[in-house]
Amino acid sequence: AQSVTQLDSHVSVSEGTPVLLRCNYSSSYSPSLFWYVQHPNKGLQLLLKYTSAATLVKGINGFEAEFKKSETSFHLTKPSAHMSDAAEYFCVVSPEGNTPLVFGKGTRLSVIA
Amino acid sequence: NAGVMQNPRHLVRRRGQEARLRCSPMKGHSHVYWYRQLPEEGLKFMVYLQKENIIDESGMPKERFSAEFPKEGPSILRIQQVVRGDSAAYFCASSLAARTRTGPPSYEQYFGPGTRLTVT
Repeated sequence: AQSVTQLDSHVSVSEGTPVLLRCNYSSSYSPSLFWYVQHPNKGLQLLLKYTSAATLVKGINGFEAEFKKSETSFHLTKPSAHMSDAAEYFCVVSPEGNTPLVFGKGTRLSVIA
Repeated sequence: NAGVMQNPRHLVRRRGQEARLRCSPMKGHSHVYWYRQLPEEGLKFMVYLQKENIIDESGMPKERFSAEFPKEGPSILRIQQVVRGDSAAYFCASSLAARTRTGPPSYEQYFGPGTRLTVT
């Protein structure tokens, strides 16, 4: 069975400081991993994805994530937070092929001016 | 190229009424997924359909919920005799049918804006 654990339900950072959103996964197969962002009352936007190519994945808006198989982690980072980054972030695993995505419970990121 | 479209965006129903949620996938996509997001939670898979076929409905409640993806037209998620606990955001996603030529397949799912159902 596949599962995703987002270690923090809420992260608060000051504008201009680094962001770290933690995610651990469990999968029987070589998974595809994703980070999605959801702004209030909006749909989901794909930030970045890992599909067994480079382990360091760069996404949109300055976000990146590193796949670490030994730690079964896929943490999301950004060097400098912006007010517009305040949103809900979901770590997602896709076991293989056209299968349903498995979502973490989400991490709410707050950015303080 | 239009993205995944869902309508209505907001739907209010009284207890006992029926709710019909529509999803038009991206052009060229023949795989549709429905997810439900309860307040303060992540998305939970409900059902996976291809044209005229239900592939996986393991996440769908056994009663009152049904889904279809006809040969022509949008995918429909239908909830009969709605109850307050059905209040949630319902998201549809679509993906390609074929593997990519180079590299591992990603089967990226593209999400619609969601339908927010409120049962009063």
